[in-house]
Amino acid sequence: AQSVAQPEDQVNVAEGNPLTVKCTYSVSGNPYLFWYVQYPNRGLQFLLKYITGDNLVKGSYGFEAEFNKSQTSFHLKKPSALVSDSALYFCAVRDPYNNNDMRFGAGTRLTVKP
Amino acid sequence: DGGITQSPKYLFRKEGQNVTLSCEQNLNHDAMYWYRQDPGQGLRLIYYSQIVNDFQKGDIAEGYSVSREKKESFPLTVTSAQKNPTAFYLCASSMGVTTEAFFGQGTRLTVV
Repeated sequence: AQSVAQPEDQVNVAEGNPLTVKCTYSVSGNPYLFWYVQYPNRGLQFLLKYITGDNLVKGSYGFEAEFNKSQTSFHLKKPSALVSDSALYFCAVRDPYNNNDMRFGAGTRLTVKP
Repeated sequence: DGGITQSPKYLFRKEGQNVTLSCEQNLNHDAMYWYRQDPGQGLRLIYYSQIVNDFQKGDIAEGYSVSREKKESFPLTVTSAQKNPTAFYLCASSMGVTTEAFFGQGTRLTVV
């Protein structure tokens, strides 16, 4: 089955600095990749996705992610972090040849300090 | 207002009881999912369904059961066989394999 790894439990950045949240994946075919954000005691909100095409995808709230097939990575980035970006971030993968189930990483807690 | 609704928001279960968590969507989505969230473990897939009257086990299906009698509804029953049911449960739906999932607000289940 497909899987996702988020190697960092916690990422800390200063407000105004760029941020990166890392994600690597494992699938048997071409992956469909997603990023979600979760605020305390809430469901997940969709940020962006990569299905095909341009390796750099742009999403909500100024976030973007770069798909790198050779490194099997899909890192989330933002040029200038805001305190309000502090949340739990999840990377997810679907293998279109494996019954449409979606698998998530363990999550990365992003803290942006003023 | 379209969306996915989970109820109740908080649920308390006594030892040995079965409880059912509700999940309803009015997005006309074919696929629906149940995840369990524990601190530090991310989301783990319990069950998913791609179509009415069909569903598949995820990674941690033991002690849980589901049904999909209507497109809009995908209830999850936590049975007494689930030994450690205290967790945050999330339901999601999606239109297809290339589309993002929409999540409910979650149900926090606590065993008392």
